[in-house]
This record gives sequence, C-alpha cells and structure tokens, in this order.
Amino acid sequence: GIQVEQSPPDLILQEGANSTLRCNFSDSVNNLQWFHQNPWGQLINLFYIPSGTKQNGRLSATTVATERYSLLYISSSQTTDSGVYFCAPQDGAGSYQLTFGKGTKLSVIP
Amino acid sequence: DAMVIQNPRYQVTQFGKPVTLSCSQTLNHNVMYWYQQKSSQAPKLLFHYYDKDFNNEADTPDNFQSRRPNTSFCFLDIRSPGLGDAAMYLCATSRGRGRTPEQFFGPGTRLTVL
Repeated sequence: GIQVEQSPPDLILQEGANSTLRCNFSDSVNNLQWFHQNPWGQLINLFYIPSGTKQNGRLSATTVATERYSLLYISSSQTTDSGVYFCAPQDGAGSYQLTFGKGTKLSVIP
Repeated sequence: DAMVIQNPRYQVTQFGKPVTLSCSQTLNHNVMYWYQQKSSQAPKLLFHYYDKDFNNEADTPDNFQSRRPNTSFCFLDIRSPGLGDAAMYLCATSRGRGRTPEQFFGPGTRLTVL
C-alpha cells in the first residue's frame, strides 16, 4: 500500500507565526485530504486537494502529484489551530481507503 | 445542516460484554466507513460499505462486525471487547463512484473497556 510521511512530527509556534507542514507519499493518488483533529477527537476536513493549490482563510494547501508531496500552510497562527494535522492520500487504484500519515502535532502558545 | 452523527459520544463497557456503536448520516452518501483510532495513532480503516456491499479490511479482527440496514445508518458491533479495543471509533461517509471521493467524519465515539 501507499506509504505516507509527515513532517515535522511536532511543532510549537508562538501565536501569530506562520508554518508549513509537509506530506510525502510513495505512489500516485486520486485523492488527498488534509484534516485537523481537534482536542475532542473530531476530524475536521480542511482540504480535498489531489492536485493544485487551494486557500481557505489563513490556511492554504498545495499538492504536486507528479512529485508526490503536499504542503499545508498556516499563516498568523492562533491557539485554536492547536491539534494534530493529518494528511491522508487515497491511492489511484480505485481503493476507497484513505491512508493516514502519523500526523503533525501543533501547539500554538500565546 | 447535513452531517454525520455518532452515538453515543462516550461508551463504557466491561471486558467481554458486547457493545454496539451507531452512526447516521444526512448526506445521502453511498459509502460509509468505520475507523479505529488508538491513542496518539493515526485512524485505521476497519471496513466500509458501498451501499449494501460490505468490504472488510484484511487485518480487521473477527471480533468486529458491522451492519448497514439502510442508507442512513451503520452500526459497529464489538462482540467481545478486550482491553486492547479501547479506542476512538470514527465513522465517515463519501459519495459513490464517479463522484468526488472526499470523506466526511463524525465526532467519534470514545470506547472505554473496564
């Protein structure tokens, strides 16, 4: 199956700082999602982004499918951004399975 | 608002006592999934339904079963919970073939086994 690596595993930011989270994957994908898991455990959809760039407020994401990576940018971070960010590609073979990376644990401190 | 709902949010059961977790959706999606997430780990797919077709992951223990009586509801049955089954259980949905495969998750049920 597809292998997924996320970096960094842990990140501590001062409120207001910017950050870039990276996701590398080992095979072609027909779907890639970024999620934020909040402290209560809910997975919140951030982006569905199999290719290209999308922006939503302070967050944006870019996937370069040909080079097998995706980036999540967080600008002007807030304490409510704390939590775990998961990248989850879905392979291109018609599978319905999302393969989750191990996540990046983000802590934003005031 | 269209959504994925899970009940209960917290479930406590005793070792070996069967438990059922519930998921419902108002999105009218074809596909429903059950994931298990243990502490500090990534979610792991247990199985999914495409309409009535059941698809089990190869490494899902026999102790875990699922039912989907209609489009809206899907249940996860744990026949004899062990201490190792304590986890967050997440339900998700997505549209069917030929449609955007984006998955939407419910809030999860946190299972404690005593």
